[in-house]
Amino acid sequence: DVKVTQSSRYLVKRTGEKVFLECVQDMDHENMFWYRQDPGLGLRLIYFSYDVKMKEKGDIPEGYSVSREKKERFSLILESASTNQTSMYLCASSLDLTGDGYTFGSGTRLTVV
Amino acid sequence: GQNIDQPTEMTATEGAIVQINCTYQTSGFNGLFWYQQHAGEAPTFLSYNVLDGLEEKGRFSSFLSRSKGYSYLLLKELQMKDSASYLCAVRDRTGGFKTIFGAGTRLFVKA
Repeated sequence: DVKVTQSSRYLVKRTGEKVFLECVQDMDHENMFWYRQDPGLGLRLIYFSYDVKMKEKGDIPEGYSVSREKKERFSLILESASTNQTSMYLCASSLDLTGDGYTFGSGTRLTVV
Repeated sequence: GQNIDQPTEMTATEGAIVQINCTYQTSGFNGLFWYQQHAGEAPTFLSYNVLDGLEEKGRFSSFLSRSKGYSYLLLKELQMKDSASYLCAVRDRTGGFKTIFGAGTRLFVKA
């Protein structure tokens, strides 16, 4: 089975801190994605990457950056955490752009206080 | 722009059939996905439609009409474990093949 592993299940950080969310997949997938999920809003795409060192902005990139130095790892960075970034963060990967769908990690619930 | 609409909540009875509808607007349609998400868990992939028609996979079927911007997920022989949120998602080839998700439909299955 494809596994997408997110480093933390729960995180509590203070306003202004720099936060790193790590995501690792073990099936050599080309494509990786970061979403946040909020009640009533669904999943919103923050950033995605189709190759090493490649990144593309999603629909809500403000306040975030990403890093993909290795194929298996896609990191989401909150440069200066704010309370409106309190959310569930979901990492996903996919092999290609056909019909396989995404494999999601178990999510990181981030609370910024 | 892109927009996906699906009902917020539905309730159905164990053993029955339920249909969850999804309508979408997108400029570069490149496939429609359905995911299941149990409370507190990650979404899991259920189905994919890129051509018009019905795709059947066990108790679950998904239908697509591209001309109407419409899809539905059909769940047969409902079981209590089917209580979950069902997410409709559309991939759009404009802007880099992004996949946009609807807000999800929470399905409650009662005995």
